[in-house]
Amino acid sequence: GENVEQHPSTLSVQEGDSAVIKCTYSDSASNYFPWYKQELGKRPQLIIDIRSNVGEKKDQRIAVTLNKTAKHFSLHITETQPEDSAVYFCAASIDRDDKIIFGKGTRLHILP
Amino acid sequence: DTGVSQDPRHKITKRGQNVTFRCDPISEHNRLYWYRQTLGQGPEFLTYFQNEAQLEKSRLLSDRFSAERPKGSFSTLEIQRTEQGDSAMYLCASSRPEYNEQFFGPGTRLTVL
Repeated sequence: GENVEQHPSTLSVQEGDSAVIKCTYSDSASNYFPWYKQELGKRPQLIIDIRSNVGEKKDQRIAVTLNKTAKHFSLHITETQPEDSAVYFCAASIDRDDKIIFGKGTRLHILP
Repeated sequence: DTGVSQDPRHKITKRGQNVTFRCDPISEHNRLYWYRQTLGQGPEFLTYFQNEAQLEKSRLLSDRFSAERPKGSFSTLEIQRTEQGDSAMYLCASSRPEYNEQFFGPGTRLTVL
């Protein structure tokens, strides 16, 4: 089955700097890659996603890149703000299966 | 509130007791998923339904766990003879088939003493 590895597990960046979280997946059949943000005590919420027919997608300060050959995908957050502090999960899914396999998460701390 | 709802939000039980959780998906979402999340980990897939049909069960779902979605709307997850290792947040999510995005509920936090 699919396995998603995520690193780093913890990341601290100065407010205004960029943060990068990297993930790898194992199942070449995966073709949908969502990223979820989970604040303390809250539900996971989708912040951006990318499909395998696209190499990069951007939404304001957030961007995702996908390298299907290497089975790597990354989340980039620019101009970080205090409200970006949370746990971020990368995930992978095969359309026909729909279940989402999550990474273990990255706890992002934005330092003042 | 038109989001996914779960009940109860918190459940404390003694080892060996049975517990049942309920999930109400977003209306018109015919896919419903159950995940389990333990502290410091990502959600782990347990099972999912398309309408009333249970399409897949993870090997994490032992025979003490059963899920139903009898009318294709709300779903229940029952855990029999609870063990301390069952303590976790149980998350429900729903989606429409033409979109992959899954919307999560607030979860039910289970503590087994």
